[in-house]
Amino acid sequence: GESVGLHLPTLSVQEGDNSIINCAYSNSASDYFIWYKQESGKGPQFIIDIRSNMDKRQGQRVTVLLNKTVKHLSLQIAATQPGDSAVYFCAENMWTSYDKVIFGPGTSLSVIP
Amino acid sequence: DGGITQSPKYLFRKEGQNVTLSCEQNLNHDAMYWYRQDPGQGLRLIYYSQIVNDFQKGDIAEGYSVSREKKESFPLTVTSAQKNPTAFYLCASSPVPDNSPLHFGNGTRLTVT
Repeated sequence: GESVGLHLPTLSVQEGDNSIINCAYSNSASDYFIWYKQESGKGPQFIIDIRSNMDKRQGQRVTVLLNKTVKHLSLQIAATQPGDSAVYFCAENMWTSYDKVIFGPGTSLSVIP
Repeated sequence: DGGITQSPKYLFRKEGQNVTLSCEQNLNHDAMYWYRQDPGQGLRLIYYSQIVNDFQKGDIAEGYSVSREKKESFPLTVTSAQKNPTAFYLCASSPVPDNSPLHFGNGTRLTVT
């Protein structure tokens, strides 16, 4: 079946460097993608989203890139801070099927002070 | 502040006992969801509800039950029929029919021994 997966389960980054977290998806019908951040002991928190009619979307210190050709999604965090340490999930679904969100297993980001 | 409240944060039960997890939201969202999170896996949908007095099974509904008597509340009962109930349970909500990101509570960690 369709699935969303992450290439790297763990990522360690020096404070101040940029972080890149990758995600692969397999459902070509997916047209809406979301990144969530989950801190220890808490629920996931929305970071940024992107629809399939876009290739790039920027937020505050975060950028999401979507490559539909290779079904790849990435989250870039600029000037990574200790507070960015968390597990990051990508999720995909179809705009018309909000109940069919598929989550990846997550990438754990550790920021080294 | 608007948000989703899950209680309790930690719950311990003996095998063979039913247990109910609470989820309350004051976001005025129509849709509510229950997810299960296990280490190294993406979130898996247990049940969801689009409107009061209506709910549908998700991907792993066996051994669980829900009710939606009020818009604000969506309690989840983990029954003794659930073979592996120890997990982190997350409740979420979203506006309907808008396909916006999910808003999550901070979860309940259930341990069954």
